[in-house]
Amino acid sequence: GNSVTQMEGPVTLSEEAFLTINCTYTATGYPSLFWYVQYPGEGLQLLLKATKADDKGSNKGFEATYRKETTSFHLEKGSVQVSDSAVYFCALTPATGGFKTIFGAGTRLFVKA
Amino acid sequence: ETGVTQTPRHLVMGMTNKKSLKCEQHLGHNAMYWYKQSAKKPLELMFVYSLEERVENNSVPSRFSPECPNSSHLFLHLHTLQPEDSALYLCASSQDSGAGVENTIYFGEGSWLTVV
Repeated sequence: GNSVTQMEGPVTLSEEAFLTINCTYTATGYPSLFWYVQYPGEGLQLLLKATKADDKGSNKGFEATYRKETTSFHLEKGSVQVSDSAVYFCALTPATGGFKTIFGAGTRLFVKA
Repeated sequence: ETGVTQTPRHLVMGMTNKKSLKCEQHLGHNAMYWYKQSAKKPLELMFVYSLEERVENNSVPSRFSPECPNSSHLFLHLHTLQPEDSALYLCASSQDSGAGVENTIYFGEGSWLTVV
């Protein structure tokens, strides 16, 4: 079946550090891949997405590349800010479509000033 | 006005109470969802409605009863809940998701439920 595995947190970084949050998936065909972010006290919101192999999603300085060969979609940012402190969720929608978007367990990021 | 609005934002209820959570989406989407988010557990999909028809019910106890009167509104009726039902309940919506269509989900801010 389809699944998403992301690195356990929390991840604690100093401001301006480089961020990587690993995400790997299991799915048949070519699912769509997403990163959602949840800021304290809020719901999830889409951060970026990629719908086919080798696509790079990017937003707010964050990037992730759809790697079919390694079934990965790692989230990166070159220089984090305190305001990036949040929980990050990797997710996939199966290639067959449908409503069963699969979410990872979430990775909490703390950024210290 | 935000795309998906939920009310109330916070609710405290006793185990014998009956209450409802309300969700409204202003995005013109065809599908609406209820998710449960508990501490230390992955996001759990509870119900999905597409064009006002329930298409997904993930073994949710009958003390949770969804209602979708139209494609813009979704309710979650709560009755005789247990303390372990305390969680953040997230409503969401998306455009219809056929095969080959990526399904971006738009979430509300959630309703924090505490059962005492």
